[in-house]
Amino acid sequence: DAGITQSPRHKVTETGTPVTLRCHQTENHRYMYWYRQDPGHGLRLIHYSYGVKDTDKGEVSDGYSVSRSKTEDFLLTLESATSSQTSVYFCAISQGSYNEQFFGPGTRLTVL
Amino acid sequence: AQKITQTQPGMFVQEKEAVTLDCTYDTSDPSYGLFWYKQPSSGEMIFLIYQGSYDQQNATEGRYSLNFQKARKSANLVISASQLGDSAMYFCAMREPKGNQFYFGTGTSLTVIP
Repeated sequence: DAGITQSPRHKVTETGTPVTLRCHQTENHRYMYWYRQDPGHGLRLIHYSYGVKDTDKGEVSDGYSVSRSKTEDFLLTLESATSSQTSVYFCAISQGSYNEQFFGPGTRLTVL
Repeated sequence: AQKITQTQPGMFVQEKEAVTLDCTYDTSDPSYGLFWYKQPSSGEMIFLIYQGSYDQQNATEGRYSLNFQKARKSANLVISASQLGDSAMYFCAMREPKGNQFYFGTGTSLTVIP
């Protein structure tokens, strides 16, 4: 299995501040994804990447931007955090026999 | 329209009994994949089972089976002989070819009663 790490694992920030979450994978997988998980909404795709510098929007991309300058790193940025962006953020890659999603441990973000 | 619908927010099952978690999906693409994931209270997402849209047989993986009814666009998860460790959130998901995108349902919370 690919090693996926997310940093930070927990963050508390204030409204209006910029926040960057990092996802790091160790096995050169092409596809990487950012999701947010909220009660009653399941997981919703924010952005995904299909290669270095190749990214596309997901279902809930407003207020978020991403960058992928290296295969192993996929960054999610909240330019000006809002309380509605309080959530658990999961990074994922596609791997395995069925190209299933393999998830990182998640980042719990609280915006006060 | 929702791509994945899970209509059961919470389910209870007696230990050792079987339980079915419902999932319906919506896509016009003939090629897609269906997945189930488990999320225990610890928070990690665990892949359980996969069904391809062209697969003729229902997928099985140990105590998990996927009841795939293509005409009804349903992909229900059946857990046989429930165990206390099966208590968790369960998510149904669909992959479409465009961008290898995944769509997840809102989840079903399963509680196994001793």
